Amino acid sequence: QSVLTQPPSASGTPGQRVTISCSGSSSNIGTFTVNWYQQLPGTAPKLLLYSDNQRPSGVPARFSGSRSGTSASLAISGLQSDDEADYYCAAWDASLNGPVFGGGTKLTVL
Amino acid sequence: EVHLVESGGGLVQPGGSLRLSCAASGFTFSNYDMHWVRQPIGKGPEWVSAIGTTGDTYYPGSVKGRFTISRENAKNSFYLQMNSLRAEDTAVYYCARVGYRGRGYNAFDFWGRGTMVTVSS
Repeated sequence: QSVLTQPPSASGTPGQRVTISCSGSSSNIGTFTVNWYQQLPGTAPKLLLYSDNQRPSGVPARFSGSRSGTSASLAISGLQSDDEADYYCAAWDASLNGPVFGGGTKLTVL
Repeated sequence: EVHLVESGGGLVQPGGSLRLSCAASGFTFSNYDMHWVRQPIGKGPEWVSAIGTTGDTYYPGSVKGRFTISRENAKNSFYLQMNSLRAEDTAVYYCARVGYRGRGYNAFDFWGRGTMVTVSS
């Protein structure tokens, strides 16, 4: 059972905007910023956003993030078929003194 | 180009040991904190251990006392010695680099392709 809670699935049609939520506690999201990772089948996770809403070089501006209280969310606008993947949130945890992850949300592009 | 390549995974009996290696290239290895993260098939990732640039090490309670992380900067490599392995340690093990670090965050910007560890009799 993962420390951060995500919905197991999400879906949208091409061009649509979808959001994925991530819920934590005061020892992680309530104190530290959130990173988001995208994982295509059979590959390693890829960093999508760090520090809530910062995009590494090469990540399109269609991906954005926000955090409020002990929750965070990832938004994907202009949904594309290539966005079909598993998405994981992560944050530092003060109790663990290490990162914690969500259980992942499988995004389906209909 | 940054590359991380894990090796050393395999099938081991409960109570057994394995040593994972991660070979790094394409960057100044000694300047970066490095982590091991594992992912059971079909589940979310779980942090396993970390080693800082000065050799400081960190572990979650689930592996503390059983796993040991180390690094060898001269070889651009770091390692995970896993002892007293349990069925629940079965997962794909990834090595990862902390590429973005700041007040309140550590983000893994590069990951290896992973190595499978199966603990079963």
